[in-house]
Amino acid sequence: GQQLNQSPQSMFIQEGEDVSMNCTSSSIFNTWLWYKQDPGEGPVLLIALYKAGELTSNGRLTAQFGITRKDSFLNISASIPSDVGIYFCAGPRFSWGKLQFGAGTQVVVTP
Amino acid sequence: DTGVSQDPRHKITKRGQNVTFRCDPISEHNRLYWYRQTLGQGPEFLTYFQNEAQLEKSRLLSDRFSAERPKGSFSTLEIQRTEQGDSAMYLCASSPTRDRATDTQYFGPGTRLTVL
Repeated sequence: GQQLNQSPQSMFIQEGEDVSMNCTSSSIFNTWLWYKQDPGEGPVLLIALYKAGELTSNGRLTAQFGITRKDSFLNISASIPSDVGIYFCAGPRFSWGKLQFGAGTQVVVTP
Repeated sequence: DTGVSQDPRHKITKRGQNVTFRCDPISEHNRLYWYRQTLGQGPEFLTYFQNEAQLEKSRLLSDRFSAERPKGSFSTLEIQRTEQGDSAMYLCASSPTRDRATDTQYFGPGTRLTVL
C-alpha cells in the first residue's frame, strides 16, 4: 500500500492560478521525485530533489525537499490547460531504488 | 534521444492465456524496474534488475509472473494463465548507476493489459 501521503487528492483550478501540493512520509527519504501522468501514459519525470532544503525549478514548476527529509512540495505557477493530469510524488525506500509512490493529486484546469 | 520503450502498448487477452511484454530501457542504464498500476493508484513495484541479474521481487509477483533480462539490455515480463485481476497498466522504468542519479527512474509509456 501507499506509505506516502499526498494531498490534496484533487484540485479544480482556473487557468492562470497557482497550484500547490505536498507529500509527507513517516520515513526519511534521500531523494524526492515528482512525476506527471496523463491518461493511458507512463509517468513523466518533472523534478528530482537530492538534498534536504533543496529548491529546484523546471519552467513554471518549483519543488522543494523538506528540511526534515520527510516531506516535499510541488508548486505550479500560472497554470495552463496542459497542466491537467495526475501528479505523483515518489521516493526510493532502499538503496537499490524501489520507489514508493503517493496516491497522486489530480489537477483539473478550467479556462 | 530515445527514452524507455514498451511493447505492446495495449493487450487484450482471454482469461487463462499467457502474455509477454517487452521493455527497452535507456541504453546506458544498468537498472531496470517493473511496476504495476491499477486505476486510481500510484505504481507498485514488481521486480528489479541490475544488468542481467534479477535482484529483488515483490510479493505481488506470484509464481505466474516471470521476468527476464537475458543480456542486460531489454527485459520481458510474462504472465501465465492470466486472471481478470491481472488487468492493469504494466510500467517499466530504468535508471543509471552513477552518483545520486541512481535513484532517478525514467518510465516508459506502459502496457495496458485487459483480461476478459
